Order: sequence, then C-alpha cells, then structure tokens
Amino acid sequence: GAGVSQSPSNKVTEKGKDVELRCDPISGHTALYWYRQSLGQGLEFLIYFQGNSAPDKSGLPSDRFSAERTGGSVSTLTIQRTQQEDSAVYLCASSFDAQETQYFGPGTRLLVL
Amino acid sequence: AQSVTQLGSHVSVSEGALVLLRCNYSSSVPPYLFWYVQYPNQGLQLLLKYTSAATLVKGINGFEAEFKKSETSFHLTKPSAHMSDAAEYFCAVSYTGRRALTFGSGTRLQVQP
Repeated sequence: GAGVSQSPSNKVTEKGKDVELRCDPISGHTALYWYRQSLGQGLEFLIYFQGNSAPDKSGLPSDRFSAERTGGSVSTLTIQRTQQEDSAVYLCASSFDAQETQYFGPGTRLLVL
Repeated sequence: AQSVTQLGSHVSVSEGALVLLRCNYSSSVPPYLFWYVQYPNQGLQLLLKYTSAATLVKGINGFEAEFKKSETSFHLTKPSAHMSDAAEYFCAVSYTGRRALTFGSGTRLQVQP
C-alpha cells in the first residue's frame, strides 16, 4: 500500500515568509508525528496527534510553529515568519495507533534564505 | 527523562566484516527501543524494534540487536557488511507514557570494498 507522503519535497523561502508543509499519513493510521532533522540539532520531535485527543505540542520550538490535523488524516505544519535556523528536513510519521511502529515519509527539505 | 547516546558518528568497515553500531539509552521506565536506517535523501526505515519480548531482536537485511538492561545498551550488529548497508543509522527510544521517539545523533556507516 501507499506509504506516508509529504509535500512539497523541497521548499525554498525568504526569511520572514510563512510556509506550509503537508503530510498524508498511511490510510487508517490514527497517530501522526512531526519531527525535524537539522545538522545542528539532529532529529527532534515536534508534535504528535492521536485520534481526537489534544495534540502533544511539547516539541514545538517556538510559537511560530503550529500544526493541525483535519478529519483525522492529513496534517499541515505551518511555520510563520520563517528564520534561517528553521532550515531543516521536516519528517512526518504515522502509526496504526500510539502503540505501533512509526512509518516515516521522505521529508520536506526547507531552506530559508 | 530519556536519552540515547550513539558512540561513533562515523564507522567504517570492509565489505564482509562485522558491523557493530553502539547505542546506550537512559530511561527511568521500561523503554521501547528502535533502530532506523536512513539512505541519502530518503526518510527513515525501521530496521528492528525491542518492545519487552525477546531480548535478541532480529530485523531486516540481516541486522539484529540485543537489549541488555544491565548495560542499558541496544547495540546493532550484522555479521557481514554489504556495500548496500552504507547509510546513516539512528537508535531511538520511547516508552508507554510518551510515544514520540527520542533519537540518538546517528552513526554514518561506510563500507569499503
């Protein structure tokens, strides 16, 4: 079956602009995660959605970062007023439920100029 | 709090030689432990996971890992390296109360012909 998909695969933006990154999880997966992979910080957890529960936002680095998940499926990660330190690969993962293995998408490579 | 330490950011082996990638974890509760592999410009792929069943876990592509509670270790091994094993490997931990993964800093495996 189809895996986790993310779009766009690459995004170049100017400092101060807003960006939206999209994640389509595997069909039927109730849990969805966002991670960030950067040279300086490695792989970091950002936010986690599980079904209809309130999301775990404990990993979001600042209030410029937000995410939503509509209809328990597609998720969008929004970064407002982007900064150069936001340049990274943003990875999305999903799992059947919180107990199960996380499957990762290919990531969105964000470059802030 | 939980953390993961991967000893050796770069490991180089000859084709056919033993692969040993080290991972030590810190967790105040019983952990779930994972090894993921990342090929260039791709997302993360699960190699294997430990979830409190057998302490010796076999994964894909001939890899295995042994959970040693006394040493708080979960080292990844493969008896004979293949050129296609060249990639970056990440050890990760989670636990029942927090399913988001905490990753180590990664080990880049190079396989020499």
